[in-house]
Amino acid sequence: EADIYQTPRYLVIGTGKKITLECSQTMGHDKMYWYQQDPGMELHLIHYSYGVNSTEKGDLSSESTVSRIRTEHFPLTLESARPSHTSQYLCASSEYGVNEQFFGPGTRLTVL
Amino acid sequence: KQEVTQIPAALSVPEGENLVLNCSFTDSAIYNLQWFRQDPGKGLTSLLLIQSSQREQTSGRLNASLDKSSGRSTLYIAASQPGDSATYLCARFGNEKLTFGTGTRLTIIP
Repeated sequence: EADIYQTPRYLVIGTGKKITLECSQTMGHDKMYWYQQDPGMELHLIHYSYGVNSTEKGDLSSESTVSRIRTEHFPLTLESARPSHTSQYLCASSEYGVNEQFFGPGTRLTVL
Repeated sequence: KQEVTQIPAALSVPEGENLVLNCSFTDSAIYNLQWFRQDPGKGLTSLLLIQSSQREQTSGRLNASLDKSSGRSTLYIAASQPGDSATYLCARFGNEKLTFGTGTRLTIIP
């Protein structure tokens, strides 16, 4: 059973608000990832991290930012949310060498 | 561009039947291939991971194979059950990233 958590699970906010999506894992994994998934569409990598103080941009351009101050925590922030940010955001983690990714339950974001 | 394709996009089969889901990828520089299950509105559940040095992996009623030379993987589900209804995603890991297919939406008819 993968121990990776995301909060909130659902979020509806107005345009221009600043939001932070939380992701935590208790498996001690060094690698963490954020994916974006629109309904019925494939997942796209938007950010990843190799460990503390490491952050990299993924394949899909995103206006969000991430930080990795602690191994277990990888929050994603949108400074000013827009309707185009409406999507599902999935967090994942993996261990070096094995590279099997475990996913959290996701945050479904709606920006009005 | 590294691409992952899954065919068919949707599949409906009667309960109890065996079935095969297909996944193909264009880049043979693959580190591993992972199969996931996704229920509507939920996250992904890892089903099977096949390392590039392996040919197949089995877990319960599931068996996944990997043929790097042809760029193909299959997920075999034996004795399907209504609870198997979900979207199944394959993803190849290479260059430090997972690249996902668009998935096969499976419906098991009771």
